[in-house]
Amino acid sequence: GQNIDQPTEMTATEGAIVQINCTYQTSGFNGLFWYQQHAGEAPTFLSYNVLDGLEEKGRFSSFLSRSKGYSYLLLKELQMKDSASYLCAVRQNNNDMRFGAGTRLTVKP
Amino acid sequence: EAGVVQSPRYKIIEKKQPVAFWCNPISGHNTLYWYRQNLGQGPELLIRYENEEAVDDSQLPKDRFSAERLKGVDSTLKIQPAELGDSAVYLCASSSPYEQYFGPGTRLTVT
Repeated sequence: GQNIDQPTEMTATEGAIVQINCTYQTSGFNGLFWYQQHAGEAPTFLSYNVLDGLEEKGRFSSFLSRSKGYSYLLLKELQMKDSASYLCAVRQNNNDMRFGAGTRLTVKP
Repeated sequence: EAGVVQSPRYKIIEKKQPVAFWCNPISGHNTLYWYRQNLGQGPELLIRYENEEAVDDSQLPKDRFSAERLKGVDSTLKIQPAELGDSAVYLCASSSPYEQYFGPGTRLTVT
């Protein structure tokens, strides 16, 4: 089986930094993806990690530790438009993708 | 370059009626996924295609759902007959080795 766990909700202040964690259990790991999803819209691809370490893309960074089954998405200089759900997804060797339930982030002024 | 295209965007039908969703993936993406997403949850995989072959349909309710991907490009997902519990957003996605992109989805309401 495959379990993907992430917090249900988080709140942060505009301009601050927030870290959204994701833990997973899977066989045949072949990559971890983060997506942003605004209400009523489709998920938007943010990042992809397959090796351990940190991937940085502007205000967003994603970290992976395969030995710990752990990833996080780091959002810096938070803006109001960052209020959305953030989905963690794990791909297995056979290309199967499984998603977590998502973390609803609320950015407050 | 065009992204993943889906149609229709919205569909309202009565229960027991059939419905079909269409997806055109990003050019060159051999892997195509159909997901169902309920409110407040992550996407749930229904079926995955590698080219024209359905390689994972274990989550597809085969008594009423069917899918095809003729010629390994466009795909169609069908529900017949629809039930009230099928109301959800149906997402199509296509992927390369390093990224996966979603279409805008079809919001299905069964009344």
